[in-house]
Amino acid sequence: NAGVTQTPKFQVLKTGQSMTLQCAQDMNHNSMYWYRQDPGMGLRLIYYSASEGTTDKGEVPNGYNVSRLNKREFSLRLESAAPSQTSVYFCASSEGWGPAGTEAFFGQGTRLTVV
Amino acid sequence: QQPVQSPQAVILREGEDAVINCSSSKALYSVHWYRQKHGEAPVFLMILLKGGEQKGHDKISASFNEKKQQSSLYLTASQLSYSGTYFCGTRSVGKLIFGQGTTLQVKP
Repeated sequence: NAGVTQTPKFQVLKTGQSMTLQCAQDMNHNSMYWYRQDPGMGLRLIYYSASEGTTDKGEVPNGYNVSRLNKREFSLRLESAAPSQTSVYFCASSEGWGPAGTEAFFGQGTRLTVV
Repeated sequence: QQPVQSPQAVILREGEDAVINCSSSKALYSVHWYRQKHGEAPVFLMILLKGGEQKGHDKISASFNEKKQQSSLYLTASQLSYSGTYFCGTRSVGKLIFGQGTTLQVKP
């Protein structure tokens, strides 16, 4: 079972460059998430998608855009990378139904460095 | 708004117990708990629902007091494998928001 797959695993960008982080899940989940993880800050939600065709801002959306291409795929785009976006990025998915929510499954992460 | 976890870090010897707390300024319907080992992705432990439900996962259990908007994670007779960072998460309009994490280190 692949679960949640993120690509790439590592990336180094120069300031001002753009890139797209890819995420795909094979569990037929409705909800998908993008988080960034920085030391001492925990997991902070960047964007959220409740279902195909819908996206919503999270806690730290500035500097990012997302696309829910279909039910499986949820991509995160950095249009003009800045050193402050150096972080580990995690994609996650869950069935998403009910107010309590359901278990979220995480990808292995993308370690991004902006120089 | 991020839930607040305490303490930020705990160091234990094998066999000792620990409690990690999670509180929110917003009314809670549920609380999620996850564990992340160094260099790995977070892994689900349990979800607690309204009603003061307590759940267990091996020797890890948790409680949820929705009136106080708090949850506590109890690790009893800790093992080396319990080392990692523990996150609580709360749902808000479908979004899963995590606390800043509690780092637990279990020493032999």
